[in-house]
This record gives sequence, C-alpha cells and structure tokens, in this order.
Amino acid sequence: AQTVTQSQPEMSVQEAETVTLSCTYDTSENNYYLFWYKQPPSRQMILVIRQEAYKQQNATENRFSVNFQKAAKSFSLKISDSQLGDTAMYFCAFMNLFTQGGSEKLVFGKGTKLTVNP
Amino acid sequence: GAVVSQHPSRVICKSGTSVKIECRSLDFQATTMFWYRQFPKKSLMLMATSNEGSKATYEQGVEKDKFLINHASLTLSTLTVTSAHPEDSSFYICSARVFRDTTYEQYFGPGTRLTVT
Repeated sequence: AQTVTQSQPEMSVQEAETVTLSCTYDTSENNYYLFWYKQPPSRQMILVIRQEAYKQQNATENRFSVNFQKAAKSFSLKISDSQLGDTAMYFCAFMNLFTQGGSEKLVFGKGTKLTVNP
Repeated sequence: GAVVSQHPSRVICKSGTSVKIECRSLDFQATTMFWYRQFPKKSLMLMATSNEGSKATYEQGVEKDKFLINHASLTLSTLTVTSAHPEDSSFYICSARVFRDTTYEQYFGPGTRLTVT
C-alpha cells in the first residue's frame, strides 16, 4: 500500500518570504500522480498543484512550485513571496494510476499547518 | 468550472436518528465521487467510493449499513448516516472526479459538519 509522509506538523514563515514543505511517499508503482492540496480555515480543500510522475520537469503554478525527486520519492512544495492568505493546512497526496477497478483513490499525508506571519 | 457543493453545511441531530448529506457537481458530470471523514486537526480518511449506477465501494473498517451511499445521477451522491451516535460526529467531505488534461483530479465540496447529541 502507498503511504505519504509529511514530517513537518507545523511551519511558519514571514510574509513575502519563501517556505518549503516536505513530502515523501512510498510506492512500488511507476505511473502515478502527486498533488498538493490546501485547506484554509474555511475547511474547503483546494488543489494547489499536481505533478505527473512520468514528467521530469517540475510543475509550477504562479508562486507555487514543486521539487519532484522520483528516485528519492520526494515531492516538496515551495511557496514564494508568501502571503497571509497562504495560511492553511497543506496536504500532500498520492494517486496511483490504473488501479484495479479504476477508482484512482487519493492517499493523503497528515498535513502541515503553515502560518504566514505579517 | 469544477464546482462541488454539499448540503447541509452544518447539521445537528439527536442520537438514534438518521442524517442525509448531499454532494452535487454543479457544472460537470461525475461518474465517481468520494466520501471522506476528517477529524479535528487530522487528515482526510477515505470512507467510500461512490459510482453512478452501481454500489459504493467501502474502505476497510467502514460500516456499509451505517453509512449508506447512493449515487443515483451523474451530478448527485448522498451519504446517509443511519442511527447516528455521538462518535459519528465529524466533518464529512465529498469530492468528485474530473478528467483534466491527462488524468483524473478530485474537486472537493466545502464539507458538512455533523454533530450528534
């Protein structure tokens, strides 16, 4: 079974600075996707960024980028120019492709609580 | 696009009663939806996979008879908590699967907070 580990329960960063959230995962599969989701105090889960395992190029979405190291099974999220609105829980998630039954379930890490300080 | 709604957002019920939570995909059709449970300050725990027109697939340890799932249309899945007890109090989140670009993504509803007294 796949597992996702987020080793930083809480982190804080000053506004406008850069912060990196760590995520490692364990799988024997070769075809999969990785995601970062954000859950602000409203509890609404929001997709931040995704990475296809077959792509060597790291995904970027505006101020958010990932460092995907497939061999090391590492998938960190970098937030540049942090904003107060970035304060939230961040969940790393793994999705295996072509599972039996085709459900493509998400497996979540335990989350990192990020606080952006003014 | 890819908006998912849940109703109600909050519900309080008495022990022994049943509660139904609706999950709707507003601007797309979803053959597959997922139901999660989230305890305070914890991660999301997948309860079941809901497939339109067929029986839901439950995760190990989730009671099928207690958490009834119906996915009667391509835009609606419902979760009914039967004979609710205080330990069922939790935050329930649904998501709908959408094919984007080259893969499936999940878009989440805003969640339903259930309190059983």
